[in-house]
Amino acid sequence: DTEVTQTPKHLVMGMTNKKSLKCEQHMGHRAMYWYKQKAKKPPELMFVYSYEKLSINESVPSRFSPECPNSSLLNLHLHALQPEDSALYLCASSQVRENTEAFFGQGTRLTVV
Amino acid sequence: KNQVEQSPQSLIILEGKNCTLQCNYTVSPFSNLRWYKQDTGRGPVSLTIMTFSENTKSNGRYTATLDADTKQSSLHITASQLSDSASYICVVTGTSGGSYIPTFGRGTSLIVHP
Repeated sequence: DTEVTQTPKHLVMGMTNKKSLKCEQHMGHRAMYWYKQKAKKPPELMFVYSYEKLSINESVPSRFSPECPNSSLLNLHLHALQPEDSALYLCASSQVRENTEAFFGQGTRLTVV
Repeated sequence: KNQVEQSPQSLIILEGKNCTLQCNYTVSPFSNLRWYKQDTGRGPVSLTIMTFSENTKSNGRYTATLDADTKQSSLHITASQLSDSASYICVVTGTSGGSYIPTFGRGTSLIVHP
């Protein structure tokens, strides 16, 4: 199994809603990542978890709250988002070692209205 | 500041033709360089990964080269197919405090016409 599964595939939420994005992998990878990608732009790194601990937070606003409940799951909790937060949110995973390939999920297309 | 520059920004070719995409980087210290293919609205899919000591790697019709001295890489696509239409992203990973930090290029948008 070399898949990273993200749910939901599409999400529309209001600015006062609370929602969560989910990411799951069963490759035994101990590094998991959240990226945000706007149209026609490269993915931007948001968070990195290494061995279930947050190792990198790229100055992401607190309305995005990551959570890594176990080595296979990564969540991104969303609250009080803005329309400019609408984007494709990508999850990736990799082994925690040098020169390793990162596997990406298909993404969640988020629209904030 | 770590940067990855890709050229051209977009490219249109006819089916069956070859093409070469370029990637220049200033990421240091260098760990590895990867080329990804991303279809619109989908997650990136890895094509090749190269370390400092590797200067060429192939994956089917895709061949990547790396010159670590000049900090340049290229992705050559042979006998293009309509399904090759996508964005091709160069990702260079450096190391910082024990973490591996990827820096993404802006991608080259490739369109293959019949």
